[in-house]
Amino acid sequence: DQQVKQNSPSLSVQEGRISILNCDYTNSMFDYFLWYKKYPAEGPTFLISISSIKDKNEDGRFTVFLNKSAKHLSLHIVPSQPGDSAVYFCAASKAYGGATNKLIFGTGTLLAVQP
Amino acid sequence: GAVVSQHPSRVICKSGTSVKIECRSLDFQATTMFWYRQFPKQSLMLMATSNEGSKATYEQGVEKDKFLINHASLTLSTLTVTSAHPEDSSFYICSAPPLLGSSYNEQFFGPGTRLTVL
Repeated sequence: DQQVKQNSPSLSVQEGRISILNCDYTNSMFDYFLWYKKYPAEGPTFLISISSIKDKNEDGRFTVFLNKSAKHLSLHIVPSQPGDSAVYFCAASKAYGGATNKLIFGTGTLLAVQP
Repeated sequence: GAVVSQHPSRVICKSGTSVKIECRSLDFQATTMFWYRQFPKQSLMLMATSNEGSKATYEQGVEKDKFLINHASLTLSTLTVTSAHPEDSSFYICSAPPLLGSSYNEQFFGPGTRLTVL
């Protein structure tokens, strides 16, 4: 039972354009969502997060949008840079406020930014 | 940000042997650490939650007798793959939440350990 899904296994974008990575979830109890970036043979690194009380969070070139009614979130990267090429995972967590909540990860999307 | 290290980064072993992987939080204490595994081109799958001073909590389908977890101190958790077999070959990653009061959900991940069982 994949509670967090990223339906696009890969995405190719031209440098300078916008990259949009999508993520869907099924569990309405999730109330905190995160995006991680991962290079091969390395651990994921945190990018940006959003709580369920918001519908948008922006940090530099990265913006995350949350549509709770559709159980959908997306990560926008603009402008895209070749260094953004990596696998992007979305993750979800329940019960905001606890220190030990586990993360449920999506299947990942490989982003390739072409120079 | 907080730093989490793993050792070894890569290990190759023979079938039937046991392998220990260490996860350390270098600049913060962690009462909880998480262990994940990742198969090629697949998601990170949570295996277990390591709790300092108490037993680990395993996810459904994960054999606790095969994947032994010990959280001996506030900065160290170990995962031992006992009697390893080729199907245990995978990329194992640990993570730890930062200190209470900060962005707790932004878990910091170790660099991972590539296990290859021959």
